[in-house]
Amino acid sequence: DAKTTQPNSMESNEEEPVHLPCNHSTISGTDYIHWYRQLPSQGPEYVIHGLTSNVNNRMASLAIAEDRKSSTLILHRATLRDAAVYYCIRRFPGSARQLTFGSGTQLTVLP
Amino acid sequence: DTGVSQDPRHKITKRGQNVTFRCDPISEHNRLYWYRQTLGQGPEFLTYFQNEAQLEKSRLLSDRFSAERPKGSFSTLEIQRTEQGDSAMYLCASSFLGGFEAFFGQGTRLTVV
Repeated sequence: DAKTTQPNSMESNEEEPVHLPCNHSTISGTDYIHWYRQLPSQGPEYVIHGLTSNVNNRMASLAIAEDRKSSTLILHRATLRDAAVYYCIRRFPGSARQLTFGSGTQLTVLP
Repeated sequence: DTGVSQDPRHKITKRGQNVTFRCDPISEHNRLYWYRQTLGQGPEFLTYFQNEAQLEKSRLLSDRFSAERPKGSFSTLEIQRTEQGDSAMYLCASSFLGGFEAFFGQGTRLTVV
C-alpha cells in the first residue's frame, strides 16, 4: 500500500495560516500527492494535487519538498469552515485505481 | 446540484436482513468507486467500475457484498445477511476516465442492530 504519515490532530486560530505536514518517504518518482478533506457528515472532497512543483488553487497551496519525501498543505487563512479531517494520499500516475486513505489529520480551528 | 447522489442517507436494519444502496454518479463520469468508512478511520476501498465493468474488488468485499452498474450509469451495492460489523458509512465516488479528481457523495450510513 502507498503509505503516508500525518499527525493525528492539529489546531489553528481562525484567520491564521495553517501548515499541514505529510511524510511520504518511500514515494516513487512518478507518484502524485493528492490532498482531500472531509468535513463532518460529508464525503471527502478534493483539495489539491501535485507532482514536483508547488501548486496553488483557490482552496490551498501545496508545497512539495525537493526530495519529494514530504509535502505541506497550506491554508492561507483558516476559517471555521476549514475544520475537517485532511488526508494526504499518494497516487500512481494515470491510475484508475482507488485512493488509499490513511487516518488523516483532524484540524480544529479555534475562533 | 449535479454532484454524486446516494440513497438512502441513513439505513437501520436488523442483523440478517439484506440491504441495497444506490449511487448516482456525475453524468458522463466513466469511473465509479465504492468505499466503506468506520468511525475514526479513513475510507477503505471496496470496488471500482469503469463504465459497466467491475474492474477491481477489495478483499474487504466478502461474498455477502455485491455491486452492479448496469448500463454504466447508476450503481447499487447490496449487502446480504447483514452483520453488526457491516455498520459503517458507505461512500460512492465518481470521476472521469483519466481524471485526477474524485467526487464523493455524502454517503449512506448503515446501522445494523
